[in-house]
Amino acid sequence: AQSVTQLDSQVPVFEEAPVELRCNYSSSVSVYLFWYVQYPNQGLQLLLKYLSGSTLVKGINGFEAEFNKSQTSFHLRKPSVHISDTAEYFCALRNTGFQKLVFGTGTRLLVSP
Amino acid sequence: DAGVIQSPRHEVTEMGQEVTLRCKPISGHDYLFWYRQTMMRGLELLIYFNNNVPIDDSGMPEDRFSAKMPNASFSTLKIQPSEPRDSAVYFCASSPGSSYNSPLHFGNGTRLTVT
Repeated sequence: AQSVTQLDSQVPVFEEAPVELRCNYSSSVSVYLFWYVQYPNQGLQLLLKYLSGSTLVKGINGFEAEFNKSQTSFHLRKPSVHISDTAEYFCALRNTGFQKLVFGTGTRLLVSP
Repeated sequence: DAGVIQSPRHEVTEMGQEVTLRCKPISGHDYLFWYRQTMMRGLELLIYFNNNVPIDDSGMPEDRFSAKMPNASFSTLKIQPSEPRDSAVYFCASSPGSSYNSPLHFGNGTRLTVT
């Protein structure tokens, strides 16, 4: 069985500071990894995805994530956050051969001035 | 592209009543997913369809829940009878194809409150 763990339920940070949102996964087969963002009262939007190739993936809004197979991690980073980045962030995986997307429990990013 | 459209945005009903949630996927997308989001359990996949055919309904909580996709542009999720523990945000999402890296496109959800 596969699973996604987001250990931090909430991450407070000041505007213009760097941030890292942690994601670890478990799977016995190869995976595709995704980060989604959910703004209040909206559905989820894709931030970025890792399929293969370069382990550093760049997404929208200045976010990037690094796939680390040995540590089974896919942490999300941004060098300088804005107030508008306040949202909930979900890490997700999909096993090769399956359509089901398995989500982590989410991390709420709170950016304050 | 209007995106995935869900209705209603909010639904408040009394325990025991039937509830029907609706979804219109993005045109041309042949996968449709229903998710439920709660504080306690996060995002749970309830059921998904491929070309209007249910593929995996193992996430449907119990027989009170049913989902249909009569055509490529419409799907419903029905709860009968509803219970307070069904209160959650229900999301519909669609995906463009059989490629496993295809991202999901989510609707804005239906917030269901059962009193």
